[in-house]
Amino acid sequence: AQSVTQPDIHITVSEGASLELRCNYSYGATPYLFWYVQSPGQGLQLLLKYFSGDTLVQGIKGFEAEFKRSQSSFNLRKPSVHWSDAAEYFCAVGPGDYGGATNKLIFGTGTLLAVQP
Amino acid sequence: NAGVMQNPRHLVRRRGQEARLRCSPMKGHSHVYWYRQLPEEGLKFMVYLQKENIIDESGMPKERFSAEFPKEGPSILRIQQVVRGDSAAYFCASSPGVRYEQYFGPGTRLTVT
Repeated sequence: AQSVTQPDIHITVSEGASLELRCNYSYGATPYLFWYVQSPGQGLQLLLKYFSGDTLVQGIKGFEAEFKRSQSSFNLRKPSVHWSDAAEYFCAVGPGDYGGATNKLIFGTGTLLAVQP
Repeated sequence: NAGVMQNPRHLVRRRGQEARLRCSPMKGHSHVYWYRQLPEEGLKFMVYLQKENIIDESGMPKERFSAEFPKEGPSILRIQQVVRGDSAAYFCASSPGVRYEQYFGPGTRLTVT
């Protein structure tokens, strides 16, 4: 079955500290991979995406993620967290190059990030 | 360039009423997706539409729910005879094609009383 696992429900980091949010997936073929961020009461904003090529991808707001095929992982990182990064982060997978007609995304349950001053 | 627009942002319905949620995709996008976010859960796919066609409705409940994306006008998600369990945030997303990233709207928060 296709699924996305975000093992950390809540994470608290100090402002200025580094951050890594974990994401593992189960999918039949190599999927497309995404990270989205959601602030309270808001929609989802795309942080970054992986379709193919370089396995280390850069996104907005200083975030990056690394695709590791052998581990079926796509972890999100940021070297220095800012208070404005406090939000909920969702990892998602979509059909890859051979996914047929659909384009549906499968989301993890999210990681809620709190930032301490 | 306006993003994905959804209205209303908040909708309150009594049990048994109908709810109509509207979504206007980003300019140049002809692919629309609907997702539902229940409290304490992630987003769940409901339906994927192109203009006048439903491409994938594998996540849509079999009864009471329907979606359309007409040639002109916004996409509509319709929920008939709402029940308390329909209370959720409903998000619309759009993309310019089938193998592109999706951009999300601000959502419609439906409350059923």
